[in-house]
Amino acid sequence: DAGVIQSPRHEVTEMGQEVTLRCKPISGHNSLFWYRQTMMRGLELLIYFNNNVPIDDSGMPEDRFSAKMPNASFSTLKIQPSEPRDSAVYFCASSLGRRETQYFGPGTRLLVL
Amino acid sequence: AQSVSQHNHHVILSEAASLELGCNYSYGGTVNLFWYVQYPGQHLQLLLKYFSGDPLVKGIKGFEAEFIKSKFSFNLRKPSVQWSDTAEYFCAVNALNTDKLIFGTGTRLQVFP
Repeated sequence: DAGVIQSPRHEVTEMGQEVTLRCKPISGHNSLFWYRQTMMRGLELLIYFNNNVPIDDSGMPEDRFSAKMPNASFSTLKIQPSEPRDSAVYFCASSLGRRETQYFGPGTRLLVL
Repeated sequence: AQSVSQHNHHVILSEAASLELGCNYSYGGTVNLFWYVQYPGQHLQLLLKYFSGDPLVKGIKGFEAEFIKSKFSFNLRKPSVQWSDTAEYFCAVNALNTDKLIFGTGTRLQVFP
């Protein structure tokens, strides 16, 4: 299996621009998680889906962030408009079930100038 | 609220030294426990996990961890570290009344030849 796939791996953008991060979970996994990692705050869970349905988005920092999972093999995390404080590494993870082992993707390193 | 504490923020060792990284959690019910490793510039990878059974769990690369329920601890150990173990180590806990995986703040391990 190819593992969790994320794109792009690196993104540099200017403040105010829209950013879309993409994730393809491991085939057969029905839970998907979006995390943000920064030096200051460590790993934070932003949102997670079970069977394509958002279950808990309480970690989404504000309305500028949105996430979708239109089908079992694809999810997006969108930031609009982006701000410099959004600069971080964004990880997607998937698991067989809501409490099973999570497998992480390689991450998207986002820099907002 | 549930929390995970990793008291060692930065550990420096010489090759062949023994390693023990502490992890304590605050939830009193049934839990699933994990240790993840993040090598420089890479994504999180599962080192080992405990769901039930033998509280001494063996993982990849010679790592092991012991679940001590009475102490709410899940410490990571390795008898002899190698330079290639230089990485950041994260303890994570999933309480079975929630779907969220709560991560500790991580311990940065540096191993010198």
